[in-house]
Amino acid sequence: AQSVTQPDIHITVSEGASLELRCNYSYGATPYLFWYVQSPGQGLQLLLKYFSGDTLVQGIKGFEAEFKRSQSSFNLRKPSVHWSDAAEYFCAVGAQGNEKLTFGTGTRLTIIP
Amino acid sequence: KAGVTQTPRYLIKTRGQQVTLSCSPISGHRSVSWYQQTPGQGLQFLFEYFSETQRNKGNFPGRFSGRQFSNSRSEMNVSTLELGDSALYLCASSSGTSGRDTQYFGPGTRLTVL
Repeated sequence: AQSVTQPDIHITVSEGASLELRCNYSYGATPYLFWYVQSPGQGLQLLLKYFSGDTLVQGIKGFEAEFKRSQSSFNLRKPSVHWSDAAEYFCAVGAQGNEKLTFGTGTRLTIIP
Repeated sequence: KAGVTQTPRYLIKTRGQQVTLSCSPISGHRSVSWYQQTPGQGLQFLFEYFSETQRNKGNFPGRFSGRQFSNSRSEMNVSTLELGDSALYLCASSSGTSGRDTQYFGPGTRLTVL
């Protein structure tokens, strides 16, 4: 069975500082990996995805993520955060031919001025 | 293209009642998945419909059911509501055909059971 771990429940960073959100997955084959962001009371917006190929993936809003098979990780990064990045971030894993996504528990990001 | 739409956005019901939620996928998408989001359990997969057939199912009791229509719109129904059913119900759509699809989510329906 596939699973996702986001070890950080809550992270606080200063505006303009760099950000890294951690995600570790467990899956027997090559996973499909996603990062979604959720603002309060809203649905999930896709930030980026990894299916295959280049292990460094670029997404929207200046985010990127790196797939590391040896570490079973797919960490999300941003070089300089903006106050509007405050939200909850979810890492998810999917499988080929199966629409079901398994989500991590999320990391809530707070930005301080 | 218009995004995924869900109606209603907010719903208040009492225990024992039943409820129906609706989801309209992105035009051209044939797969609709439903997820339940709660503070305690996080995001959990309920089921997925493709071409009017349930293709995947999560680990939820039979009180949770769904269906999909020929235009790909989907409904989910929860019967005999319990307090623990209070949650944000999210619908996601994808093409459902490539085997490596991206799911796009709607804004959700907030269900409160009193």
